[in-house]
Amino acid sequence: EDKVVQSPLSLVVHEGDTVTLNCSYEVTNFRSLLWYKQEKKAPTFLFMLTSSGIEKKSGRLSSILDKKELFSILNITATQTGDSAVYLCAVGEQTGANNLFFGTGTRLTVIP
Amino acid sequence: GAVVSQHPSWVICKSGTSVKIECRSLDFQATTMFWYRQFPKQSLMLMATSNEGSKATYEQGVEKDKFLINHASLTLSTLTVTSAHPEDSSFYICSARRSWDRFSGANVLTFGAGSRLTVL
Repeated sequence: EDKVVQSPLSLVVHEGDTVTLNCSYEVTNFRSLLWYKQEKKAPTFLFMLTSSGIEKKSGRLSSILDKKELFSILNITATQTGDSAVYLCAVGEQTGANNLFFGTGTRLTVIP
Repeated sequence: GAVVSQHPSWVICKSGTSVKIECRSLDFQATTMFWYRQFPKQSLMLMATSNEGSKATYEQGVEKDKFLINHASLTLSTLTVTSAHPEDSSFYICSARRSWDRFSGANVLTFGAGSRLTVL
């Protein structure tokens, strides 16, 4: 059975801290891994990773994929209160359906 | 670009009635749309894959006669919750894959803002 597991489930940090969110997966016919940020409503896209060892970076956020160990991490440096959200990891298959399997998310709370 | 509009954002209905939720791709054509359901503090659970011009593909455990999906055009998919009951109360989100990503293999989805359904 396909599975995407995120850890920790919940995290509370102070502004300025650096956080690392984890995502491990067991998916048949892996194609890509995606990170989304969900605040109050719709998830917004952060990164898509398809190759091992290549870091994707956007401002204070960065992510990397390890296809051998089947996991990805999302790093956020110098956290701000606006980073408070649920971060979802999703894995896509090599099929025409193009479905994504979502993890349960990590709820990050950044306090001033 | 790549905006998905979902309507309504919030709906309250009586038990036994039907509710229709619309998902529109505003600036691109979407041959495939996905419908998810999300319970509080849980992740997105795929309900069905909606393909333009053909029948939707439902995930195991999702009643196709209860959750009717229609994808009549390249920019619109609808989800109708028929004979809604309180246990159907949830947050429903649609997403769309841009049609031109199909051959590149990219599967980045654009999400609608979601529709919160409350059945009394």
